[in-house]
Amino acid sequence: GAVVSQHPSWVICKSGTSVKIECRSLDFQATTMFWYRQFPKQSLMLMATSNEGSKATYEQGVEKDKFLINHASLTLSTLTVTSAHPEDSSFYICSAREGTSAEQFFGPGTRLTVL
Amino acid sequence: AQKVTQAQTEISVVEKEDVTLDCVYETRDTTYYLFWYKQPPSGELVFLIRRNSFDEQNEISGRYSWNFQKSTSSFNFTITASQVVDSAVYFCALTNLSGGYQKVTFGTGTKLQVIP
Repeated sequence: GAVVSQHPSWVICKSGTSVKIECRSLDFQATTMFWYRQFPKQSLMLMATSNEGSKATYEQGVEKDKFLINHASLTLSTLTVTSAHPEDSSFYICSAREGTSAEQFFGPGTRLTVL
Repeated sequence: AQKVTQAQTEISVVEKEDVTLDCVYETRDTTYYLFWYKQPPSGELVFLIRRNSFDEQNEISGRYSWNFQKSTSSFNFTITASQVVDSAVYFCALTNLSGGYQKVTFGTGTKLQVIP
């Protein structure tokens, strides 16, 4: 089946620094990639949708200047949390879709802790 | 607007008992997919099943079975003879097929604890 990887799997950073999370589709071309955020004991909330070569579409309430998304190629999307604060600590999960398929393949997630 | 409701927040069962996880959804679309995912403590989502809105056949896969009823907008998941390894959070999800923007809406999840 299709494989999506994320790097790093976990990261600890100081408040005020920026953190970049990578999402890669390993064996298919991801026309669309999605970024989700999951707080402890809560559900996954969609943050943004990105299409290769286009600007990301952010969900209501998600700050686009704080969560920078770049989908530069058909196999890579990055999420940069700028000037991270402790309240940004969360589990970030990406998913990828090929073409117009209804199937989304999820990455293993990245656990971000901001001190 | 889409909505997925998992009314059961947490369920505890004793090993070998059967357990059913409920899922009720709302959508105005006539074509959509329903999913179930398992999320163990490691955090990685494990895909369990996908069901097309046009296919109301129930499905069985080993100890897992799913009951899809469009009349009640429900897509319930039953684990037969539960095992400790089934302990996880289970999410029901919905995505529409209309238009080019296919957003997945997740339910709030049901935490299942199987006690040995």
